[in-house]
Amino acid sequence: QTEVTQEPSFSVSPGGTVTLTCGLSSGSVSTSYYPSWYQQTPGQAPRTFIYSTTTRSSGVPDRFSGSILGNKAALTITGAQADDESDYYCALYMGSGTWVFGGGTKLTVV
Amino acid sequence: QVQLQESGPGLVKPSQTLSLICTVSGDSLCSGNYYWSWIRQPAGKGLEWLGRTYCTGSTNYNPSLKSRVTISVDTSKTQFSLRLSSVTAADTGVYYCARVVATSPFVFDPWGQGTLVTVSS
Repeated sequence: QTEVTQEPSFSVSPGGTVTLTCGLSSGSVSTSYYPSWYQQTPGQAPRTFIYSTTTRSSGVPDRFSGSILGNKAALTITGAQADDESDYYCALYMGSGTWVFGGGTKLTVV
Repeated sequence: QVQLQESGPGLVKPSQTLSLICTVSGDSLCSGNYYWSWIRQPAGKGLEWLGRTYCTGSTNYNPSLKSRVTISVDTSKTQFSLRLSSVTAADTGVYYCARVVATSPFVFDPWGQGTLVTVSS
């Protein structure tokens, strides 16, 4: 089965920029996979953040942006803030009503 | 606005069947073009998509669990369920239900708050 890859962890300084990626164990991610991103803080359910590659969900600050970078989907935070410290998961649509989630990236803002 | 709520036993014995229900309020399972999905998260680990159903009862499952998972729609069309057979400790975790848009943009939203299931004798 195809695996979705994410960096296990990432660290960014307050005010800095960081790009988290979402790739495939085999092949390239394109918009046809409708990449979506979910933010999860400890003890909480995931919150929809970005979908269809670039669309921010309601209430998501515009310092968050989604894109395709090379052969991966990407979530970029420009001007990171302390409360951005969370786990971020991507999901890829594999067709026929099936999905695969990535392993998640634990983002630390220090 | 639509809300989802998981319910079911918090403790299941090894080799038995885990059964959960997701109750949908503010909408019907058949009121729009949506899939209804189950996702789980073992403690300290990532999200795993388990499968989905549709208003018609059609289903698709994660291939790694396909032989053990059953997702079905209740006749009331306001609940859908998850059954996972032959459970082991590896099936311990938080189980979420979510609505998924069945066409572009294929996004999971909203999510239930999740329910913790522990597999132990």
